[in-house]
Amino acid sequence: RKEVEQDPGPFNVPEGATVAFNCTYSNSASQSFFWYRQDCRKEPKLLMSVYSSGNEDGRFTAQLNRASQYISLLIRDSKLSDSATYLCVSEYGNKLVFGAGTILRVKS
Amino acid sequence: DTGVSQDPRHKITKRGQNVTFRCDPISEHNRLYWYRQTLGQGPEFLTYFQNEAQLEKSRLLSDRFSAERPKGSFSTLEIQRTEQGDSAMYLCASSFSGRIYEQYFGPGTRLTVT
Repeated sequence: RKEVEQDPGPFNVPEGATVAFNCTYSNSASQSFFWYRQDCRKEPKLLMSVYSSGNEDGRFTAQLNRASQYISLLIRDSKLSDSATYLCVSEYGNKLVFGAGTILRVKS
Repeated sequence: DTGVSQDPRHKITKRGQNVTFRCDPISEHNRLYWYRQTLGQGPEFLTYFQNEAQLEKSRLLSDRFSAERPKGSFSTLEIQRTEQGDSAMYLCASSFSGRIYEQYFGPGTRLTVT
């Protein structure tokens, strides 16, 4: 079983839609969680951190449920520029563990 | 550009040859990481350095792989006796030790072993 599991998608949504991605992690000792974004043929970049209390940054909301070992990312009012792969990430020890990513395609 | 740089960007080699990749991190960052990414997968941790000390290596890093960061600045990753299964994107990232979750990635070196 992979440490971080994500639905690979793709999620095909129209502009303006709200879309949600989920992720589960297996290591209960994982300390922190993040979402990274990776554009096609580009390097990953930190999108946002995930807290139990929820974290909102503009159109993006991330949530952590430690009891269920579940992480979510909600994107409201999707833009064409949101098309990318979204990587769910856990921090364990001194390293990051990445999921395989969820592909989002926003279409006009 | 003061971001993370990697060289070369692409490398095609024949099976059995040795290859070496270089990573130049953001100058103020004391941590440097190497990852491998294959199609449809997220980056997989290989190893990391804090300054010049290599502090952890993944079990993915077989004895054909070696990494160095001699002066705590740039790093090299060498793969000896390459195999077709080594074909992947090799990513380097750097961070401050207190903010290891905020890693800045380089553009990667795409290795193709024929």
